[in-house]
Amino acid sequence: GAVVSQHPSWVICKSGTSVKIECRSLDFQATTMFWYRQFPKQSLMLMATSNEGSKATYEQGVEKDKFLINHASLTLSTLTVTSAHPEDSSFYICSASGLAGVSYEQYFGPGTRLTVT
Amino acid sequence: QKEVEQDPGPLSVPEGAIVSLNCTYSNSAFQYFMWYRQYSRKGPELLMYTYSSGNKEDGRFTAQVDKSSKYISLFIRDSQPSDSATYLCAMNDNQGGKLIFGQGTELSVKP
Repeated sequence: GAVVSQHPSWVICKSGTSVKIECRSLDFQATTMFWYRQFPKQSLMLMATSNEGSKATYEQGVEKDKFLINHASLTLSTLTVTSAHPEDSSFYICSASGLAGVSYEQYFGPGTRLTVT
Repeated sequence: QKEVEQDPGPLSVPEGAIVSLNCTYSNSAFQYFMWYRQYSRKGPELLMYTYSSGNKEDGRFTAQVDKSSKYISLFIRDSQPSDSATYLCAMNDNQGGKLIFGQGTELSVKP
């Protein structure tokens, strides 16, 4: 299957600072990337969908000014958590979908654990 | 009512058992069905991808889709301790679109 990487895998930041998480598709061009957050023992919650070169589409209840998403190229999307607070602490996972062969499977990155102190 | 229902378990089986995992859904427009495996503190890994109704087999894994009943299944034969993980079903109505996930079923395979 296709490979998606995330960086960093784990980050601790102080309340009020901003954190940027990178998501890269390593061996295919990702026309669409998705950002999720996941709380312990819960399923994935979609935050936003981004297409290369376009503004991200946010799910209802997700603050677009707080979670800035940029999809500048077919292999890179970034999520910036601005003015982070302890309640933003979570596991953030990206996925990428594109012309991987002849289908549009969605492949996930390994996740980034964010802890805000 | 959630669009996709999945029993969260936990499900515990002995090594070598056949495991059956299931999801039901309500949206008849769903056409693409996936099963993901997620180990603790890791991203989900795509196991099976199926379009429309029918069966698909890959090694010890078999995915079944019954669109008439809005029911999908994942069978794991000869289960191993390394299969212990959370299994998530997911589906959507168009290629490349956002996925609707089940809650995930936590599976434990005991040696």
